[in-house]
Amino acid sequence: GQNIDQPTEMTATEGAIVQINCTYQTSGFNGLFWYQQHAGEAPTFLSYNVLDGLEEKGRFSSFLSRSKGYSYLLLKELQMKDSASYLCAVRDKRNFNKFYFGSGTKLNVKP
Amino acid sequence: EAGVTQSPTHLIKTRGQQATLRCSPISGHTSVYWYQQALGLGLQFLLWYDEGEERNRGNFPPRFSGRQFPNYSSELNVNALELEDSALYLCASSLEVRGYAFFGQGTRLTVV
Repeated sequence: GQNIDQPTEMTATEGAIVQINCTYQTSGFNGLFWYQQHAGEAPTFLSYNVLDGLEEKGRFSSFLSRSKGYSYLLLKELQMKDSASYLCAVRDKRNFNKFYFGSGTKLNVKP
Repeated sequence: EAGVTQSPTHLIKTRGQQATLRCSPISGHTSVYWYQQALGLGLQFLLWYDEGEERNRGNFPPRFSGRQFPNYSSELNVNALELEDSALYLCASSLEVRGYAFFGQGTRLTVV
């Protein structure tokens, strides 16, 4: 089976740094993805990790530890527009185009 | 390059009716997946089509079905609609080598 856990909601202040954690237990693993989803919109791709370590992309970074079944998304210099849900998704090892999504973390950025 | 397109944007049906949702993947993408996102819940995997065949389905009853056409567009059919089927239905497509899914804007289905 697949189990992906994320915190339901987080609040942070504009200009600050926030870390959104994701833990997973899957029968097979072929990469972990982070998506951003603004209310009422489709998810958009943020980052992809398949090997252990940190991937940096501007203000956003994502970290993966496969042995611990753990990832985090780090957002720096928070902006109001970063208020959104952040979805963690694991790609299945055998069904390469199948993704399992967490329920998402709703991030509220306040002034 | 056109993204994943879904139609209709909104759909209102009454309980017991059937709903048909459509999706056109990005040109060149052969895989299409459907997800359900009920209010306050995460994305739940529904169906995966590739090269015209159903490759896998999530934990949904058989009244959720679909198909993929030769041009790789896809339809999701929901029969005998129930109130709990009210949700945002998202379609995504991917190229295996790219590794990540592109999503359409979704169809918001409301069952009354």
